[in-house]
Amino acid sequence: AAGVIQSPRHLIKEKRETATLKCYPIPRHDTVYWYQQGPGQDPQFLISFYEKMQSDKGSIPDRFSAQQFSDYHSELNMSSLELGDSALYFCASSSRTGGDTGELFFGEGSRLTVL
Amino acid sequence: RKEVEQDPGPFNVPEGATVAFNCTYSNSASQSFFWYRQDCRKEPKLLMSVYSSGNEDGRFTAQLNRASQYISLLIRDSKLSDSATYLCVAWYSSASKIIFGSGTRLSIRP
Repeated sequence: AAGVIQSPRHLIKEKRETATLKCYPIPRHDTVYWYQQGPGQDPQFLISFYEKMQSDKGSIPDRFSAQQFSDYHSELNMSSLELGDSALYFCASSSRTGGDTGELFFGEGSRLTVL
Repeated sequence: RKEVEQDPGPFNVPEGATVAFNCTYSNSASQSFFWYRQDCRKEPKLLMSVYSSGNEDGRFTAQLNRASQYISLLIRDSKLSDSATYLCVAWYSSASKIIFGSGTRLSIRP
C-alpha cells in the first residue's frame, strides 16, 4: 500500500539559506501534519492542513511557511535557516472525512542539516 | 507542564522481562490515545490504539484509566527487537489535535 512520501530524505544547507521540504500524503487522505524532531526530542507539531486550508498551528517559526496544494501534497518552506533548524522533519497524513480516528501515518522524514 | 507526560527512561531490562510504561495526560477532553514506537532516526509507527478501557495485542497490553487520566503499556516476554522509544499520543477530536509525549526509551539487553 502507498505510504506517505517525503522528499528530499536528506538536505544540507548553510545558515541563512532557504529549504523546501515536500510531502505526498497517502491517497485519499485529506489532512497533513508537519512535525519537527530535534535530537533526543519528541516530535514538535508545526502546522496542519485540512482540505488545502491551514487547520492548526503549533510552534512554527515565522521564518517557516507551508501550504497544501490542490493535489493534497504539502510543502514546508524554511527561510533564513539557523543552526537550530537542524532536525528531522516528519510529515504525517490522516483521513478526517473518512472517519477521523486520530491515527497518523508518518513519512520517513527529511533530515535537514544546517551548517 | 506538558499536556502528555511520560517517564523518559531509559528503561534497561533483560530479554524476557516484563516492562510497563505509564503516560499521564492533563486534558480530560482527550478522546483517544495511541502508543507509537520510534526506532532511532526513523519515523514513529503506530503500535497500538487505546480505546475505552484498553486492549491487548500479543505481548502488548494497553490500559486506559480515564478517572486518573493515565495510559499504560505493558510488554511481556520482551525481545531485543523491542528496544525503541515509545511515544504516548493523545487525540482531541473536537480540535482534531494530536499531542505527543516526550517518549520513553526502552533498551532490552541479552
